Amino acid sequence: GQQVMQIPQYQHVQEGEDFTTYCNSSTTLSNIQWYKQRPGGHPVFLIQLVKSGEVKKQKRLTFQFGEAKKNSSLHITATQTTDVGTYFCAGPKYNFNKFYFGSGTKLNVKP
Amino acid sequence: EPEVTQTPSHQVTQMGQEVILRCVPISNHLYFYWYRQILGQKVEFLVSFYNNEISEKSEIFDDQFSVERPDGSNFTLKIRSTKLEDSAMYFCASSEMGGTLLSQTQYFGPGTRLLVL
Repeated sequence: GQQVMQIPQYQHVQEGEDFTTYCNSSTTLSNIQWYKQRPGGHPVFLIQLVKSGEVKKQKRLTFQFGEAKKNSSLHITATQTTDVGTYFCAGPKYNFNKFYFGSGTKLNVKP
Repeated sequence: EPEVTQTPSHQVTQMGQEVILRCVPISNHLYFYWYRQILGQKVEFLVSFYNNEISEKSEIFDDQFSVERPDGSNFTLKIRSTKLEDSAMYFCASSEMGGTLLSQTQYFGPGTRLLVL
């Protein structure tokens, strides 16, 4: 069945260091979304990528969608303690309204 | 800013009992979802709902589960006979569009933590 994997599972960084999480799907996705979940909170939408090879930036966050629309990455430049949380990618298969969430990458930022 | 609300925030129940989790999606949204998240694990899709019927469901969403939109605002998830392994956080989400349409931003509610004893 459909699987969406993320690596790494955990990442501990010093404040100011960069962070990247990678998302890989076993099948082509129509689009990919990224969510952030703070400890004890609910997933909060960050961004949606639709086009093959698309790159979007939000301040210190850079999101990329692979050419084959099967992988994606989120890069955070100069992490801050406010970046702490779990980052999930999610996407539907083409023609389906069924979302597959990645396994998540838990980011911890040490001040 | 409009938001998805869920009640109750916590629910403790005995194994075998029925529970109903309630959600009020954002008012102009057309697509509704239920997800669950077992503690420390990933978010798992349960079901999507559009135009008063189930659009998609996962393998987890078996005959013990049902969803309903009883009126114009509420969206409910019923678990008929709870099992210990149903203990999880249940999130409701809604989106303006869904299906094959591109803008599928999902807005999640704060969740209901269900504990089955």
